[in-house]
Amino acid sequence: EDQVTQSPEALRLQEGESSSLNCSYTVSGLRGLFWYRQDPGKGPEFLFTLYSAGEEKEKERLKATLTKKESFLHITAPKPEDSATYLCAPAGGADGLTFGKGTHLIIQP
Amino acid sequence: SQTIHQWPATLVQPVGSPLSLECTVEGTSNPNLYWYRQAAGRGLQLLFYSVGIGQISSEVPQNLSASRPQDRQFILSSKKLLLSDSGFYLCAWSSGVGNTIYFGEGSWLTVV
Repeated sequence: EDQVTQSPEALRLQEGESSSLNCSYTVSGLRGLFWYRQDPGKGPEFLFTLYSAGEEKEKERLKATLTKKESFLHITAPKPEDSATYLCAPAGGADGLTFGKGTHLIIQP
Repeated sequence: SQTIHQWPATLVQPVGSPLSLECTVEGTSNPNLYWYRQAAGRGLQLLFYSVGIGQISSEVPQNLSASRPQDRQFILSSKKLLLSDSGFYLCAWSSGVGNTIYFGEGSWLTVV
């Protein structure tokens, strides 16, 4: 059975304080690892897809990396508008994604 | 470009009443369609997915059902709602297995 664990569950940072979010997974036949951002009361918004260990993707202040068992979402010099819940989801052999519970990120000005 | 719509956005229903949530996708053909539920303090849970008209796969046993009467229409239903059915329901689509899944804005269901 596919399993995903995200840590920490919640993270409070000062504006400009860089940090990393972790996503550990156990998936048979990984097809890709997806990162989403979810604002309160909204559907998840797609950020990145990583397909192989060693791959990196960047978007503004976010950079996602992938190893064989983990993915990290690095946030550099965050701003208050980066506050959201970040979800990771590995795609295995079956259709649909197995989502982690997410990391609730708060950036204080 | 592709867009996904789901409605209603908010719903308050008494226990034992029926449910119907609808979702349509525009700008693509033969999408894979999904219904997820997000309960308070829990992750996104896949409820149903469909790879074509009339083809529904259920991931979790429950008193909910799904139907796909048209290529780009996906409906989530219940004959009798339970309190435990309360949550945030999300419709989503993808162009195939392992491809990016795109979500709608969600429907808040409160069963009272």
